[in-house]
Amino acid sequence: DQQVKQNSPSLSVQEGRISILNCDYTNSMFDYFLWYKKYPAEGPTFLISISSIKDKNEDGRFTVFLNKSAKHLSLHIVPSQPGDSAVYFCAANSPNYGQNFVFGPGTRLSVLP
Amino acid sequence: KAGVTQTPRYLIKTRGQQVTLSCSPISGHRSVSWYQQTPGQGLQFLFEYFSETQRNKGNFPGRFSGRQFSNSRSEMNVSTLELGDSALYLCASGVGQGVRETQYFGPGTRLLVL
Repeated sequence: DQQVKQNSPSLSVQEGRISILNCDYTNSMFDYFLWYKKYPAEGPTFLISISSIKDKNEDGRFTVFLNKSAKHLSLHIVPSQPGDSAVYFCAANSPNYGQNFVFGPGTRLSVLP
Repeated sequence: KAGVTQTPRYLIKTRGQQVTLSCSPISGHRSVSWYQQTPGQGLQFLFEYFSETQRNKGNFPGRFSGRQFSNSRSEMNVSTLELGDSALYLCASGVGQGVRETQYFGPGTRLLVL
């Protein structure tokens, strides 16, 4: 049973518009979340993180929102650029997991020019 | 600073064989984690090594093992390969001084088991 879910396998967005990638989790012990971006033939690259003491974290064009009661987080990319086209992974961690991050299956984002 | 390197990048093996994958972390990083990525499953945690000791382990059978050397380089071994072991194996390194730190991934080794 997947503890971290990304229910949209793919998403297409027009350049300049907002991209919203969603992630749901089931383990209420998760209190730290990350987003990674992955291009083909490369390893995942860290984008942004959020701890459960916050409900929002922003870094440039990337903002992550956390709704603890709904066990839901989302990544907003504004404005979207063609170079953002990649697979985005959501990952979660709990205090007793050490460096074991539980990853979702990923969402493939295509930003159309 | 050089990134995480993994060798080989591609590998083809047959069922029943064994394989060893190598990972060199970023200079100064002492924690190395291994993940398996298969289509639709995301990345699944295999194990983490820190200072030559396995510090954390995921839910994989004993056919999957690893080790870390004094220079922080790590190897992962899979014995008695099965078709389902075909995957992208990713290594990630971190400083290792605390939990929740950002991990830096290598490009992965793509293993195909025939």
